[in-house]
Amino acid sequence: DSGVTQTPKHLITATGQRVTLRCSPRSGDLSVYWYQQSLDQGLQFLIQYYNGEERAKGNILERFSAQQFPDLHSELNLSSLELGDSALYFCASSVGVSGGHTDTQYFGPGTRLTVL
Amino acid sequence: AQKITQTQPGMFVQEKEAVTLDCTYDTSDPSYGLFWYKQPSSGEMIFLIYQGSYDQQNATEGRYSLNFQKARKSANLVISASQLGDSAMYFCAMREGQSGYSTLTFGKGTMLLVSP
Repeated sequence: DSGVTQTPKHLITATGQRVTLRCSPRSGDLSVYWYQQSLDQGLQFLIQYYNGEERAKGNILERFSAQQFPDLHSELNLSSLELGDSALYFCASSVGVSGGHTDTQYFGPGTRLTVL
Repeated sequence: AQKITQTQPGMFVQEKEAVTLDCTYDTSDPSYGLFWYKQPSSGEMIFLIYQGSYDQQNATEGRYSLNFQKARKSANLVISASQLGDSAMYFCAMREGQSGYSTLTFGKGTMLLVSP
């Protein structure tokens, strides 16, 4: 158990809908990251937050948004869902920015999103 | 160019044997970190081992060791005395730079199957 929690574990929805994925980082971690894992694209970084502020952005679609709240939990919002958004969405957390490349990211169990 | 290359889509090994999973990387940054993660069929991403670019010795964590050859830009994972529970997908990843804002870039993974 990494200490990172994600809810829900599974989500099935229809095209055009909007969903929210939730992540709680490990105790003491200030950075939260979101990744998408699909069969064709592999593991792709979406976005990073550090202590409530966005710090890095990857291949995140405009239909997707995220935020990190004062209690450090984070939510990833996916809207106008398409079939191609079906994937495993991971949240990861790490201590924070000062560690640089030594700052190990610990992953949550993931949310499996299926868009029908 | 791909930053992380894992050339072995799949590997087979018998229980109790050692196995090496290959990873080569591409970066011009002198400061970087290399990570290996394990993803069993249940889906979670489990951190295994970390190697920093300035580390003089190869990293070890229990049955896992990282064969770091800087000049060849390779960071192979060695699993000694394989167990059935080692059957999983293994990902090599890299994080560049001193800033904690840099992201993890993953390879496509190697599927390891351990047979009795």
